[in-house]
Amino acid sequence: KAGVTQTPRYLIKTRGQQVTLSCSPISGHRSVSWYQQTPGQGLQFLFEYFSETQRNKGNFPGRFSGRQFSNSRSEMNVSTLELGDSALYLCASSLAGQDNQPQHFGDGTRLSIL
Amino acid sequence: GQNIDQPTEMTATEGAIVQINCTYQTSGFNGLFWYQQHAGEAPTFLSYNVLDGLEEKGRFSSFLSRSKGYSYLLLKELQMKDSASYLCAVRPPSGNTPLVFGKGTRLSVIA
Repeated sequence: KAGVTQTPRYLIKTRGQQVTLSCSPISGHRSVSWYQQTPGQGLQFLFEYFSETQRNKGNFPGRFSGRQFSNSRSEMNVSTLELGDSALYLCASSLAGQDNQPQHFGDGTRLSIL
Repeated sequence: GQNIDQPTEMTATEGAIVQINCTYQTSGFNGLFWYQQHAGEAPTFLSYNVLDGLEEKGRFSSFLSRSKGYSYLLLKELQMKDSASYLCAVRPPSGNTPLVFGKGTRLSVIA
């Protein structure tokens, strides 16, 4: 069974640009969550999608957005990039996002802002 | 809200036992997860506790005390490949709410 796939693995952008990251969940998983990971803050929750609907949202500015498609694949977009957006962006999928179901993570996209 | 504390770094010797603690202060609780993350790789699921007590899985065990807001991950017979970050994550009480992660404990296993 293929795991969670994130593309691209690495990305370099400059301030003010925008970026789109992609996540393909494990087959059959309908819940997709996005996290930002930095050395100082650890894993910070961005948002969760389930059946093409945003079900939960973390405390990030509106520059961070996402969506989910009918095949459960998800994308997140960051507009007007800032230096502080440099981080590892992780996507995680689970069957339905319920309490006892573990999330399965992709290898992440490492975004560097110059 | 949720507040989760873990030690930042730990060092242990190959073949030894190490215990990584996690304490949480929450307005409710609905389960606790442990994940392992090697440098440059994805976090991988290790264990899930929702009831008090010890869950054992081979060399790894996880313990939970809900009344104390406390969990630990116990790693036995340490191997060099166990050098990684260990993340504690709590599920808040409301249904379908996102996990809240601690900042992780970086474990270094030395010879």
